[in-house]
Amino acid sequence: DAKTTQPPSMDCAEGRAANLPCNHSTISGNEYVYWYRQIHSQGPQYIIHGLKNNETNEMASLIITEDRKSSTLILPHATLRDTAVYYCIVRVASSNTGKLIFGQGTTLQVKP
Amino acid sequence: SAVISQKPSRDICQRGTSLTIQCQVDSQVTMMFWYRQQPGQSLTLIATANQGSEATYESGFVIDKFPISRPNLTFSTLTVSNLSPEDSSIYLCSVEVGLAGDGRFFGPGTRLTVL
Repeated sequence: DAKTTQPPSMDCAEGRAANLPCNHSTISGNEYVYWYRQIHSQGPQYIIHGLKNNETNEMASLIITEDRKSSTLILPHATLRDTAVYYCIVRVASSNTGKLIFGQGTTLQVKP
Repeated sequence: SAVISQKPSRDICQRGTSLTIQCQVDSQVTMMFWYRQQPGQSLTLIATANQGSEATYESGFVIDKFPISRPNLTFSTLTVSNLSPEDSSIYLCSVEVGLAGDGRFFGPGTRLTVL
């Protein structure tokens, strides 16, 4: 699986959009971009994933550049409960190996 | 979806002893995974445990130290053997459900402290 690069930490004001960047310049054609988050003292939680088109669900939006070398996770209206470590991961979806390899992630602090 | 429970939720152990962690899933799954999260660090994959076959260990992890059992499609155990303070971590199990790509679930973790 390709590696990703994320800033170690970010702050966001409550109610504002949180934009979390991720670089994945060595992503392969069949690899998806996944985002998970880990709230303190809990297991990681799936947020969203995409291949090349932008995706949106009830939690977030995922914007993938046309060359697929980077992406941005957008939390449109951040709340204090969104404070967590956010992990950007690239992997082959539904692969037989099923491996999910975590990088260091971005610690997002949402402030009142 | 899948609901995962782990036992114990936390434990304090003496060095040289062993701890067995249980992972129970509310549905049948083919692939189960064990992760370690050292203090202040990200998750590191220990091994993949598929029912009916030997677990597959990642580089740096060996069966003698981290024996795994996978007796059926809803249950697995991870034993951390010959404990040392460096084994103090959170251990998490994880499962993959379905083929849509959004079916990865994690247990709440087991917090191990070795004195």
